[in-house]
Amino acid sequence: ETGVTQSPTHLIKTRGQQVTLRCSSQSGHNTVSWYQQALGQGPQFIFQYYREEENGRGNFPPRFSGLQFPNYSSELNVNALELDDSALYLCASSHRGGSGELFFGEGSRLTVL
Amino acid sequence: TQLLEQSPQFLSIQEGENLTVYCNSSSVFSSLQWYRQEPGEGPVLLVTVVTGGEVKKLKRLTFQFGDARKDSSLHITAAQPGDTGLYLCAGVRGSQGNLIFGKGTKLSVKP
Repeated sequence: ETGVTQSPTHLIKTRGQQVTLRCSSQSGHNTVSWYQQALGQGPQFIFQYYREEENGRGNFPPRFSGLQFPNYSSELNVNALELDDSALYLCASSHRGGSGELFFGEGSRLTVL
Repeated sequence: TQLLEQSPQFLSIQEGENLTVYCNSSSVFSSLQWYRQEPGEGPVLLVTVVTGGEVKKLKRLTFQFGDARKDSSLHITAAQPGDTGLYLCAGVRGSQGNLIFGKGTKLSVKP
């Protein structure tokens, strides 16, 4: 059984740039959620995708956007990067109608200079 | 406003000691989950508690959900260095996958 994989693991960007983070969900899972974890904080819910559509969103501005593909993999895009966007971005997959357990990837560590 | 307050934020103890960490909220959750996160990794689910007053045991870890489903505690007996990590509680509300996390308790167990 393949776990959740994220790429890249680390990246550095400058203010104003755009970034795309990628996530492959665990085999058999149809739902992907994205979380932002700033240093010293717990993860904060960004949004969730199910059947290629956004299905719930946290308190994040529109410059945070995402996609889910037919194979259930997902992308998180952030435009006009700000210094406060520096964080660990976590992807979690789950199966709707299953146990409700989320399986997290190791995250993508984004640094904005 | 932090919906889920965890305490203490940091805890450093010696191997063999017992400890309790707390997760408190003014909101009611349909269920509450506890995760453990190690540096450079994503959180890993330890347990889900659903029923008010529920107690679940996982080896040396005991989890309790408050009667009103607003708070929870995690008790570790005879802590070991392998228990070191960030312990996160997360309340489940609304759609599956929309978790509200606390800031976590960073536990360090010294040999």
